[in-house]
Amino acid sequence: DAGVIQSPRHEVTEMGQEVTLRCKPISGHDYLFWYRQTMMRGLELLIYFNNNVPIDDSGMPEDRFSAKMPNASFSTLKIQPSEPRDSAVYFCASSPGGAGANVLTFGAGSRLTVL
Amino acid sequence: AQKITQTQPGMFVQEKEAVTLDCTYDTSDPSYGLFWYKQPSSGEMIFLIYQGSYDQQNATEGRYSLNFQKARKSANLVISASQLGDSAMYFCAMREAPGGGFKTIFGAGTRLFVKA
Repeated sequence: DAGVIQSPRHEVTEMGQEVTLRCKPISGHDYLFWYRQTMMRGLELLIYFNNNVPIDDSGMPEDRFSAKMPNASFSTLKIQPSEPRDSAVYFCASSPGGAGANVLTFGAGSRLTVL
Repeated sequence: AQKITQTQPGMFVQEKEAVTLDCTYDTSDPSYGLFWYKQPSSGEMIFLIYQGSYDQQNATEGRYSLNFQKARKSANLVISASQLGDSAMYFCAMREAPGGGFKTIFGAGTRLFVKA
């Protein structure tokens, strides 16, 4: 298994532009999580899905952020319009459901810089 | 509501010695899981160890052990025989399940420095 795949790995954009981050979870995992990591705020949970359905989006900072999961193998996190304070590393993670540890497996992250 | 607290922003340990990284948590869900992840300078998140709330024994994985004290709501990570490669950021995480919908949150992290 190739693990959780995120793209792009690095994105540099200008304020006001639209940014789309992509994630392919591990096949068979029921849960998908989006986190944002900054020095100031640490690892923040933005939103998570179960079987492609958003369960909790209370961590999404504002309406500029949106996330979708159109099928079990793909999710996007979109920022429109982007602002410098959105600069961060965005991680996608997936996990199985059911009983047991259900360990989150993380992607390599997408480092976003908004100028 | 879930809460994870790591009170040690940074820790130093001498190579080959043991070190304990603190983690306390708060939850009203009787069923939950506790995790520790390592994040080296390269940035990836590496799973280290897991403890379920109903597990009777403390979890161990090689040089890692989790000191689980349920009544005190603490889940400290113990690294034995520290190595230079252990220098990294360490995150404690909690997952409420299944009533909490498997929501998983992370503490602020502890940066560990291993000295030669």
